Amino acid sequence: AQKVTQAQTEISVVEKEDVTLDCVYETRDTTYYLFWYKQPPSGELVFLIRRNSFDEQNEISGRYSWNFQKSTSSFNFTITASQVVDSAVYFCALSTTDSWGKLQFGAGTQVVVTP
Amino acid sequence: GAGVSQSPRYKVAKRGQDVALRCDPISGHVSLFWYQQALGQGPEFLTYFQNEAQLDKSGLPSDRFFAERPEGSVSTLKIQRTQQEDSAVYLCASSLIPLENTEAFFGQGTRLTVV
Repeated sequence: AQKVTQAQTEISVVEKEDVTLDCVYETRDTTYYLFWYKQPPSGELVFLIRRNSFDEQNEISGRYSWNFQKSTSSFNFTITASQVVDSAVYFCALSTTDSWGKLQFGAGTQVVVTP
Repeated sequence: GAGVSQSPRYKVAKRGQDVALRCDPISGHVSLFWYQQALGQGPEFLTYFQNEAQLDKSGLPSDRFFAERPEGSVSTLKIQRTQQEDSAVYLCASSLIPLENTEAFFGQGTRLTVV
């Protein structure tokens, strides 16, 4: 069975602070994909990143960075120098070989950035 | 349009009424997914199509839920005899090819309220 845990329900920061969102996953598959999506108040899920299980290199994209550690089954996401526009719910998700057609989402973390 | 389009954006149904939710995927996208998102929760998988074939419907909560994609493009999610527990946002997503090689793009969802 697959499971994604986002233990942080809500994180509040002041603009320009860094914020790290935790994601812990469970799967017996050796081949899988991990995703992060952003859901602003408009409701649409916006794709941020996809990472396969064989690529443990950390990735940076502008103010966003991701830390993938298979040893701890974690795929954490950091927003550097947060901005008000970063306020949204962020979801971590997992897709595995026995269910490529479905994403298993975590419960999400609400990020609130105040000026 | 450029993205996944869902209609209606909002739907209020009386308990016991049937509803139909429409999804227009991105043109040319082979895979189409439906998810249900309860308030404050992550999306939960409902069903998956590859072209017109429904490959996975394991997430449909009851036989009141039915989805179709007869020509491999537009999809309709139908809920018969709606119940209050059906109140949620229904998200549609599409991807160019099966999910293991790409990401899914989501629509803004249909918010269903059953009264």
